[in-house]
Amino acid sequence: GENVEQHPSTLSVQEGDSAVIKCTYSDSASNYFPWYKQELGKGPQLIIDIRSNVGEKKDQRIAVTLNKTAKHFSLHITETQPEDSAVYFCAASIIGGSYIPTFGRGTSLIVHP
Amino acid sequence: EAGVTQFPSHSVIEKGQTVTLRCDPISGHDNLYWYRRVMGKEIKFLLHFVKESKQDESGMPNNRFLAERTGGTYSTLKVQPAELEDSGVYFCASSPPGHWGTEAFFGQGTRLTVV
Repeated sequence: GENVEQHPSTLSVQEGDSAVIKCTYSDSASNYFPWYKQELGKGPQLIIDIRSNVGEKKDQRIAVTLNKTAKHFSLHITETQPEDSAVYFCAASIIGGSYIPTFGRGTSLIVHP
Repeated sequence: EAGVTQFPSHSVIEKGQTVTLRCDPISGHDNLYWYRRVMGKEIKFLLHFVKESKQDESGMPNNRFLAERTGGTYSTLKVQPAELEDSGVYFCASSPPGHWGTEAFFGQGTRLTVV
């Protein structure tokens, strides 16, 4: 089955800095890669996703890149703000097949004012 | 529109006791999923309902866990008897018919602590 590795487990940055979270996956058939943000006391919420036919996707201060050959994808947050502090999860799944996503272990992002 | 709702938010029980978690999915969502996150680890799949039918229960840890979705609406996850290693946050998610995508939403989770 699919295995998703996520690094780092904890990331501490100063407000205004950039943050990068990296994930690797094992199943070359995976073609859908969502990222979730979990704030304290809430469930994970989809913030951005990317499909395997796209190399990069951007939405305001967040962007995701995908390297299919190397089987890794990354989340980039620019100009971080204290409200970006949360746990971020990457996931991989197969649209059209067994589409239940496999998640990484999560990254706790702390943005210091 | 109401989101995915889980009850209770927190539960502390003693080893050997029984606990039942409930999930109310978004109205009209045929797919309902249960996940669990043990402290510091990945969000791990437990099982998937399509309406009232169990589509995939390959992630259920053992026969102490029983999930039901009577009538294809809300779902319950019962742990009986609970063990220490069952502690974690149990998430429910729901999505419309079709694949997991932008229309899949999580509930806020139930934090289960077995002491």
